[in-house]
Amino acid sequence: GENVEQHPSTLSVQEGDSAVIKCTYSDSASNYFPWYKQELGKRPQLIIDIRSNVGEKKDQRIAVTLNKTAKHFSLHITETQPEDSAVYFCAAILNRDDKIIFGKGTRLHILP
Amino acid sequence: AAGVIQSPRHLIKEKRETATLKCYPIPRHDTVYWYQQGPGQDPQFLISFYEKMQSDKGSIPDRFSAQQFSDYHSELNMSSLELGDSALYFCASSGLGMAQYFGPGTRLLVL
Repeated sequence: GENVEQHPSTLSVQEGDSAVIKCTYSDSASNYFPWYKQELGKRPQLIIDIRSNVGEKKDQRIAVTLNKTAKHFSLHITETQPEDSAVYFCAAILNRDDKIIFGKGTRLHILP
Repeated sequence: AAGVIQSPRHLIKEKRETATLKCYPIPRHDTVYWYQQGPGQDPQFLISFYEKMQSDKGSIPDRFSAQQFSDYHSELNMSSLELGDSALYFCASSGLGMAQYFGPGTRLLVL
């Protein structure tokens, strides 16, 4: 089955700097890659997603890149702010109605 | 916009008791998913329903069962509760697209 690896597990970034979280997936048939942000005790919130027919997508300070050949995808957060502190999960989905396969998460700390 | 609704938000049970968690998907969403998240863990898929039929099954114990009703809401029934069942239980729903939107979760504590 699909397996999603996520790195790093913890990331500390100075406020205003950029943060990058990287993931790899194993099943080349996966074609949808969402990113979720989860604050302590709260629901995972979908912050950005990308389909396999797209190489890059940007939404304000957040961008995601996908390299299908290498089966890599990354989340980029620019101009980080204190409210960006949270756990971020990358994920892969094979087809519509399929379960989400999550990475293990990255705990992002934004340092003042 | 309407979001996924879950009830109850918090639940405390004794070992060997039963619990029922409810999920109301976003209107017009036809697929419901249940996930279990332990402390410091990623959410683990339990079970899903599409158009009231079970569509996929993950690491759901035999002590648990679930169903989706005609109004698309879903219930997760948990029996013979164990200490290890203490976790956050999330329901998510999806519609025409592939995005899954999560409810606020039910925090279950088994004593």
